[in-house]
Amino acid sequence: AQSVTQPDIHITVSEGASLELRCNYSYGATPYLFWYVQSPGQGLQLLLKYFSGDTLVQGIKGFEAEFKRSQSSFNLRKPSVHWSDAAEYFCAVLNNAGNMLTFGGGTRLMVKP
Amino acid sequence: DAGVTQSPTHLIKTRGQQVTLRCSPISGHKSVSWYQQVLGQGPQFIFQYYEKEERGRGNFPDRFSARQFPNYSSELNVNALLLGDSALYLCASSLTGTGSYGYTFGSGTRLTVV
Repeated sequence: AQSVTQPDIHITVSEGASLELRCNYSYGATPYLFWYVQSPGQGLQLLLKYFSGDTLVQGIKGFEAEFKRSQSSFNLRKPSVHWSDAAEYFCAVLNNAGNMLTFGGGTRLMVKP
Repeated sequence: DAGVTQSPTHLIKTRGQQVTLRCSPISGHKSVSWYQQVLGQGPQFIFQYYEKEERGRGNFPDRFSARQFPNYSSELNVNALLLGDSALYLCASSLTGTGSYGYTFGSGTRLTVV
């Protein structure tokens, strides 16, 4: 069965600092991977997705993620964090049938002024 | 264009009652999925419907049921509510049933069971 692990429950960074959120997945085939962001009390907004091809994926709001098959990882990065990036971030993998997303437990990002 | 819309946004129910949540997908999307997000956790898959047929079911009891209408909107029903059913219920729509174009989520319905 597929699974997603986000090792960091909480991360605090200073505004303007760089950010990396970790995601490790377990999946038998080539994975379809996603990063979503959720602001308090809101739904999920898609930041970026990886289906195939270039392992460095660009998303919205200045985020990017790198797929590393050898490490079963899909880490999310941003070079300079803004206060408005404070939210919860979820990594997810799509199953073989394409009808179910399995999410990690999420990483809550706090941004210090 | 309107995104995925869910109603109501919040509701409070008593244990043992029944609840119906509604979802309208993005225009042109034929697939609707439902997820349950308990506070502090990632969303868990409940159902997917595509072209009005159930295409996937997660590990939830039979108290949970859903359907999709000819206009592709969907309802999620939960019977005999338990305190543990308190959660944010998210609806996601997709152009196809395989997620190859990704899934777009609504803002959710916050259900509180007292």
